[in-house]
Amino acid sequence: EVQLVESGGGLVQPGGSLRLSCAASGFSFSNYWMSWVRQTPGKGLEWVASIKEDGSDKYYGDSVKGRFTISRDNAKNSLYLQMNSLRAEDTAVYYCARDEYRFWTSWGQGTLVTVSS
Amino acid sequence: EIVLTQSPATLSVSPGERATLSCRASQSVNNNLAWYQQKPGQAPRLLIFGASTRATGIPARFSGSGSGTEFTLTISSLLSEDFAVYYCQQYNKWPLTFGGGTKVEIK
Repeated sequence: EVQLVESGGGLVQPGGSLRLSCAASGFSFSNYWMSWVRQTPGKGLEWVASIKEDGSDKYYGDSVKGRFTISRDNAKNSLYLQMNSLRAEDTAVYYCARDEYRFWTSWGQGTLVTVSS
Repeated sequence: EIVLTQSPATLSVSPGERATLSCRASQSVNNNLAWYQQKPGQAPRLLIFGASTRATGIPARFSGSGSGTEFTLTISSLLSEDFAVYYCQQYNKWPLTFGGGTKVEIK
């Protein structure tokens, strides 16, 4: 069974940094693109970033480009999102998701990031 | 960026009735469109990809159609567990984008 478990969310001040992690199990992690998708409270979904199987290719949404970095460690079956220069509008539930072909069949339960002073 | 517009924002339907949800793209996405269902407190669940292919385990009452810029998700006969928010997502071009969602509520 595919399992994705996010961690690392919490309260951070504007301008601060946070690193999210996603532990994957139940599938061959190194064979899949992986992504982060977020959902602002009470609002819709927004794609954040995606990374190729071997980490050699990465894509970012315009709202996070230059501030967030997606990475992975295939030896540890783990996905990461380094978030810098955080803003209030980055407040959201962040989901880790397994790509099929740029859509997502498996999602984690999400981790809440709150940016507030 | 490809903008996806979903309509209506809210759809009130009685159990057993048919629900028809629309998703319009600002430019062609070919058939690279997916639909998701999301219930409160849960992650989204993939229903449809390739505009019309049901994902594994999705009941036949869910069907998708369309190509280019106009897409439809149809739920043929609503069950209580189908009341949720539905999102479309295009994966034809970066950045990947979602529609704003349609809430299907009990009439």
